[in-house]
Amino acid sequence: DAKTTQPPSMDCAEGRAANLPCNHSTISGNEYVYWYRQIHSQGPQYIIHGLKNNETNEMASLIITEDRKSSTLILPHATLRDTAVYYCIGHSGNTGKLIFGQGTTLQVKP
Amino acid sequence: NAGVMQNPRHLVRRRGQEARLRCSPMKGHSHVYWYRQLPEEGLKFMVYLQKENIIDESGMPKERFSAEFPKEGPSILRIQQVVRGDSAAYFCASSLRGGQGTDTQYFGPGTRLTVL
Repeated sequence: DAKTTQPPSMDCAEGRAANLPCNHSTISGNEYVYWYRQIHSQGPQYIIHGLKNNETNEMASLIITEDRKSSTLILPHATLRDTAVYYCIGHSGNTGKLIFGQGTTLQVKP
Repeated sequence: NAGVMQNPRHLVRRRGQEARLRCSPMKGHSHVYWYRQLPEEGLKFMVYLQKENIIDESGMPKERFSAEFPKEGPSILRIQQVVRGDSAAYFCASSLRGGQGTDTQYFGPGTRLTVL
């Protein structure tokens, strides 16, 4: 599965949109881009995933570039409870494992 | 619809004892994954099981660790003769189909193991 690169940390003002970038330049055609987050020491929480098209659900939107080499997770109206470590993962399902990098620590500030 | 359940949530063991961690997958899920998170580190894959089968154990330490997912009952991660370095959070995830990129893994709350 593809190696992903994320900035180590980001800040966002409460109520504003949080845009979290991820580079996955080596992603292969059958790999999906998955986003999880881990709040404090809780279990990772699934957010969203996509292959080519942009995706939206009740939690977030995922924008994938046309060449699929990068993506952006958008939390439209960040709250203090969105403070967490956000992980971007490329996953094909060929192996069961998810490979977690260091992620981006998002700090939402009042 | 209950999510992935893990018990116990906290487990304290003395060096040399055995630790048994249990994971009940989401209803209808037959694929289970175990991950470990050492203090101040990221999550690392340990093992992937389907009912009665180990599919991938490439992340499991070669000694003292074993996992099973019987036909009936929860998946068990067993650590024999625990050492202080085993202190970590152990997370279980489950999925519906396995082997597909669109098969989402859902995580439980974890078991925090402390070895004295």
